[in-house]
Amino acid sequence: EVKLVESGGGLVQPGRSLKLSCAASGFSFNDYWMGWVRQAPGKGLEWIGEINQDSSTINYTPSLKDKFTISRDNAQNTLYLQMSKLGSEDTAIYYCASTVVTGYFDYWGQGVMVTVSS
Amino acid sequence: DIRMTQSPASLSASLGETVNIECLASEDIYSDLAWYQQKPGKSPQLLIYNANSLQNGVPSRFSGSGSGTQYSLKINSLQSEDVATYFCQQYNNYPPYTFGAGTKLELK
Repeated sequence: EVKLVESGGGLVQPGRSLKLSCAASGFSFNDYWMGWVRQAPGKGLEWIGEINQDSSTINYTPSLKDKFTISRDNAQNTLYLQMSKLGSEDTAIYYCASTVVTGYFDYWGQGVMVTVSS
Repeated sequence: DIRMTQSPASLSASLGETVNIECLASEDIYSDLAWYQQKPGKSPQLLIYNANSLQNGVPSRFSGSGSGTQYSLKINSLQSEDVATYFCQQYNNYPPYTFGAGTKLELK
């Protein structure tokens, strides 16, 4: 069974940094693109970015490129999202997701809440 | 960025009814379109990819169609478990891959 479990969320002060993790199991992590999508409370989905199998290609939504960094550790079957200079607009549920090819996401984690507030 | 305009924003339908949700892209996306279902408090689930390919395990009452800039998701014989918000997503031109704003489907 494919399982994606996000962690690392919580309450963080404006201007601070936070690193999310996504532990993958039940599939060959090395063979999949991985990505992050977020959803502000009561809002729609926002594509953050994606990383290919060997980390040689990482794509970001332009507005977040200077704040967020996606990485992965294939030995640990883990995806990461490093977030910096956080503001209230970054308050959202953050989902990690997998895809065989770049594009649509076929499996999603349950999401982790990040709240940016003083 | 490619803009994805979904309609309607919300709809109410009866059990057994057929429902159609539309997604209009701001430019040709060459059928690089996915549909997701998100039930309240849950993560999105892939229903359709490449505009008309049904994801494994998704009931056959769901179908997708369209080309160019116009796409639609059809739900035949609506069931109670289909109450959810539905999102389209283009993946032809990035970054970013953009989502529609969502269509909230409720039972009448």
